[in-house]
Amino acid sequence: NAGVTQTPKFRILKIGQSMTLQCTQDMNHNYMYWYRQDPGMGLKLIYYSVGAGITDKGEVPNGYNVSRSTTEDFPLRLELAAPSQTSVYFCASSTSGGTNEQFFGPGTRLTVL
Amino acid sequence: AQSVTQLGSHVSVSEGALVLLRCNYSSSVPPYLFWYVQYPNQGLQLLLKYTTGATLVKGINGFEAEFKKSETSFHLTKPSAHMSDAAEYFCAVSEGYGGSQGNLIFGKGTKLSVKP
Repeated sequence: NAGVTQTPKFRILKIGQSMTLQCTQDMNHNYMYWYRQDPGMGLKLIYYSVGAGITDKGEVPNGYNVSRSTTEDFPLRLELAAPSQTSVYFCASSTSGGTNEQFFGPGTRLTVL
Repeated sequence: AQSVTQLGSHVSVSEGALVLLRCNYSSSVPPYLFWYVQYPNQGLQLLLKYTTGATLVKGINGFEAEFKKSETSFHLTKPSAHMSDAAEYFCAVSEGYGGSQGNLIFGKGTKLSVKP
């Protein structure tokens, strides 16, 4: 199993550009999550999904959109990139909520200039 | 709302010394508690978790943590630090019930340095 994979690893965007961060998991997990990590701030939840076709906002959803058309994929869309979106983005998945371990991808480092 | 506080953004220990990383949480209901580790330029991986039952939880790489309800704490310890333990450690609590019950609230993290 590859686990959770994310592409790209690094990206530099100009202000106002858009992009999609890709996330795929091969563990047949129902739950998937997007986090952003800023230095000294821990991880903040952007969006999550409890199954294909179901998504919901986390703590910091503004400026982002998601979709979940399949169990495996959970792309994160940035529209009109802003410098405040410079961060490291992590995708994670789990079998279900509550007590279950979340498995994290290696991250995407995004810089908006 | 639940929250997690990790005391000390940086902790430095000598190789072979005790590692103690502190975590306090606030929750109005019995929480699920987690410690994750992040090695440089990698994603997070689970060290250990507390759900119910025994309050002393053992994890990977010789780490353990004790859930103390009266102190609302879940401190992480390891008797003898190894150079390979140098990483950032995150305490997290599972949020509430219902559709968001799997969501984790993370602390800000503690960077552990190990001196030879």
